[in-house]
Amino acid sequence: NAGVTQTPKFRILKIGQSMTLQCAQDMNHNYMYWYRQDPGMGLKLIYYSVGAGITDKGEVPNGYNVSRSTTEDFPLRLELAAPSQTSVYFCASSYKEWNTGELFFGEGSRLTVL
Amino acid sequence: DAKTTQPPSMDCAEGRAANLPCNHSTISGNEYVYWYRQIHSQGPQYIIHGLKNNETNEMASLIITEDRKSSTLILPHATLRDTAVYYCIVRDSNNAGNMLTFGGGTRLMVKP
Repeated sequence: NAGVTQTPKFRILKIGQSMTLQCAQDMNHNYMYWYRQDPGMGLKLIYYSVGAGITDKGEVPNGYNVSRSTTEDFPLRLELAAPSQTSVYFCASSYKEWNTGELFFGEGSRLTVL
Repeated sequence: DAKTTQPPSMDCAEGRAANLPCNHSTISGNEYVYWYRQIHSQGPQYIIHGLKNNETNEMASLIITEDRKSSTLILPHATLRDTAVYYCIVRDSNNAGNMLTFGGGTRLMVKP
C-alpha cells in the first residue's frame, strides 16, 4: 500500500491563480481530511469527507473547495490564490470504525503564493 | 472537544526517559486522549491513545491520572530521532467524522 499520496510536493503560485492539490489513498478509508499548517503552528482543518459524494467544512474553509467523487480521491481546489494561503497542506484519511484512533497523513504539499 | 495545555518546549538527554505532560482539565467522560508527533514538517504520526486506563505500545506509554484531568506521554529511552513536536489531543468518541483538533504541541529536543 502506498498509503496517502499527495501531489504536488511543492508549488509556487502567483496571486489570483488557481490550482488543485491532489490526494489519493489506497486503504479503502471512508473518511478523508484536508489540513493546513502555517509556520510554527498546529494543523487546522479545512474540509473533510465521510464518504464519496459527502463533504463538509472544517475550521478554515474560506478560499477552498473540495469534491469526493470516489472513495480514493479527495482533491482540494484553491480559487484566486492569496498570500494568506501560503502554507503546508496535509491530506489524511481514516477508517469509519476508528478503533485504533489513527489518522494516516500524507507527506504534505508546500504552497507559496507570491 | 476539550482543550489541552502543553508546555511549548522540552529538552531530554539521549537514552533517558522523556515525560511529556498534558493538561485537559475540562475533559468529559466519553473523550479519549490521543498523542501524535510530527517530525520535521512531515505529516503527523499516531503514537497512542487512551480513555482512562494506562496504555503501552511499542512506541510509548500513556499515563492518565485517576481524575483524567491530565496525562503524561512517556518515551522510555529517547533517541535523537524522537526530536519532534508532540501533540496531545482530546476527542469525543461520538465526534462524527473522526476529526482531530491540533493545538501548538510540545517541541521535544533530544540532545546527545
